Amino acid sequence: EVQILESGGDLVPPGGSLRLSCVTSGFTFTSYAMTWVRQAPGKGLEWASGISHYGDNTYYADSVKGRFSISRDNSKNTLYLHMNSLRPEDTAIYYCARGIMDFDFWGQGTLVTVSS
Amino acid sequence: AFQMTQSPPSLVASVGDRVTITCRTSEDIRNDLGWYQQRPGKAPKLLISASSNLQSGVPSRFRGSGRGTHFILTISSLQPEDSATYYCLQDYNYPYTFGQGTKLEIK
Repeated sequence: EVQILESGGDLVPPGGSLRLSCVTSGFTFTSYAMTWVRQAPGKGLEWASGISHYGDNTYYADSVKGRFSISRDNSKNTLYLHMNSLRPEDTAIYYCARGIMDFDFWGQGTLVTVSS
Repeated sequence: AFQMTQSPPSLVASVGDRVTITCRTSEDIRNDLGWYQQRPGKAPKLLISASSNLQSGVPSRFRGSGRGTHFILTISSLQPEDSATYYCLQDYNYPYTFGQGTKLEIK
């Protein structure tokens, strides 16, 4: 059974940093690219970042480029999102999803709140 | 800049009705568009990939169509559990973009 579990969400002040983790199981992690999608409270979905199977290619939304960094540890079946220079508008539930197109499995999300 | 327009923002329909949701893009994206369903408080769920490819386990009353710049999600014979927000997603080029969402209420 495919399982995806995000963690690391927290309340952080503007300008702060945070690292989100996404632990996966039930599938061959190296066979899949992975993606982060976020959703601000009461708002729609926003694609944030994606990474290829072995991490050699990364992709970012304009809104996070230069501040966020996606990475993966294939030995731990884990995806990461390193977030720096956080802004109030980064407040959202962050979802980890399998795939780089056609996100077929999702975690339940982790909440990041950026506020003083 | 790439534009994506999803309509309508919301709709109300009855059990058994047929509804359509539309996504239009400012550029030709071939058939690189997916449809997602999100129920309140839940993670999104992939319904349709590549414009018309129904995912395993998704009821056949969901149908996707279109190519280029105009795409349609049709839900026939609505069921109570179809109450949700629906999003299109273009995965043709980066950065990927979701539509604004369509909130479907079943009365």
